[in-house]
Amino acid sequence: EVQLEESGGGLVQPGGSLRLSCEASGFTLSRYWMLWVRQAPGKGLAWVANIGHDGSLKNYVDSVKGRFTISRDNARNSMYLQMDSLRAEDTAVYFCVRDSDYSDKSGIHYDVCDIWGQGTLVTVSS
Amino acid sequence: AIQMTQSPSSLSASVGDRVTITCRASQAIRSDLGWYQQKPGKAPKLLIFAASNLQSGVPARFAGSGSGTYFTLTISSLQPEDFATYFCLQDYNYPRTFGQGTKLELK
Repeated sequence: EVQLEESGGGLVQPGGSLRLSCEASGFTLSRYWMLWVRQAPGKGLAWVANIGHDGSLKNYVDSVKGRFTISRDNARNSMYLQMDSLRAEDTAVYFCVRDSDYSDKSGIHYDVCDIWGQGTLVTVSS
Repeated sequence: AIQMTQSPSSLSASVGDRVTITCRASQAIRSDLGWYQQKPGKAPKLLIFAASNLQSGVPARFAGSGSGTYFTLTISSLQPEDFATYFCLQDYNYPRTFGQGTKLELK
């Protein structure tokens, strides 16, 4: 079964650090771009970061640049999010997401976020 | 960033009803839009990709339409397992942006 499983969430004080992990099963991680998406309590979803197949390309939302680092270990079929200098506004459920190449009936290609993990809760509070 | 405006934010309906949810993009995004179902504590599930293509294994009562800036998700005959939250996601560019979600509740 194709699935993603996040771990590493928890309660941390402001200014602290956490490292989230995302383990892939049922597919070869190295073939895909991957994303982290978060959902703050009572709020909508928001893209946080993404990473290319071999880890050389990375992008971040402005609010986490310089504080969060996305990485991957394809040999372990895993992706990570190192979160430093955490703030209260980083409190959220963090989802690991696979970005796949799909084509429609006309043969046009699309990037599709097709597989999501269940999420891991990060709470930043004193 | 492209803004996705989803409506309604909540919807009450009965089993067997037909419901429609809409997403508007702040700029044209071709057909680069997906629809997802989310249940509490579960992974979001892809229903529709490229605006109107049914994901494998998803029941045919789910249908998507639209292109450019206006998109709809229609559930033709609600089943008990369909009561959940639905959201749209634009895959046109980064940052990926999402609709605010529609909570579909049993009337």
